[in-house]
Amino acid sequence: QKEVEQNSGPLSVPEGAIASLNCTYSDRGSQSFFWYRQYSGKSPELIMFIYSNGDKEDGRFTAQLNKASQYVSLLIRDSQPSDSATYLCAAQGGKLIFGQGTELSVKP
Amino acid sequence: DVKVTQSSRYLVKRTGEKVFLECVQDMDHENMFWYRQDPGLGLRLIYFSYDVKMKEKGDIPEGYSVSREKKERFSLILESASTNQTSMYLCASSVGVDNSPLHFGNGTRLTVT
Repeated sequence: QKEVEQNSGPLSVPEGAIASLNCTYSDRGSQSFFWYRQYSGKSPELIMFIYSNGDKEDGRFTAQLNKASQYVSLLIRDSQPSDSATYLCAAQGGKLIFGQGTELSVKP
Repeated sequence: DVKVTQSSRYLVKRTGEKVFLECVQDMDHENMFWYRQDPGLGLRLIYFSYDVKMKEKGDIPEGYSVSREKKERFSLILESASTNQTSMYLCASSVGVDNSPLHFGNGTRLTVT
């Protein structure tokens, strides 16, 4: 059974801090990795994708991928209360597999 | 921007009814998907389609069928709704190349009473 695992949280960080969201995957054939943000009652929205080992930055967001360790993370710098949401990690080899999501709470 | 539109935001249906959930995308995407999302179970793939009139079963197809007569439209059909099909239903589309990201619609919250 191919799996993507995330800490369920909730992860609570103060406003302005760095939030670190982690994800591991079991399928070594996975080539593409996605981070989605989902506000309560809303649908997931894509915020980052990464295909190569290393870091990829987009504004306050940085995705990190380590294929040898089968590990992908999302860093959110200068966290804001509006970042409070559930973050879904997904890995794709042949099939797209979603993790269960990590709930992030940013406290003012 | 990609727009994926689901016809209803909320639906309430009775047990045994036939239910149609409609999804339309406006970006000429080849791939379309139907998921359901339940607390503690995450996103589960029901059906997907890589082309017009083509469909493939996902992880939980039982009790559902789909139709894709036009490239932009992908319909999910609950042949005889049951209470265990109460859920959030999410349609998504993606470009027809490997590893392209999914773009989700706003979701339909279906309640079967």
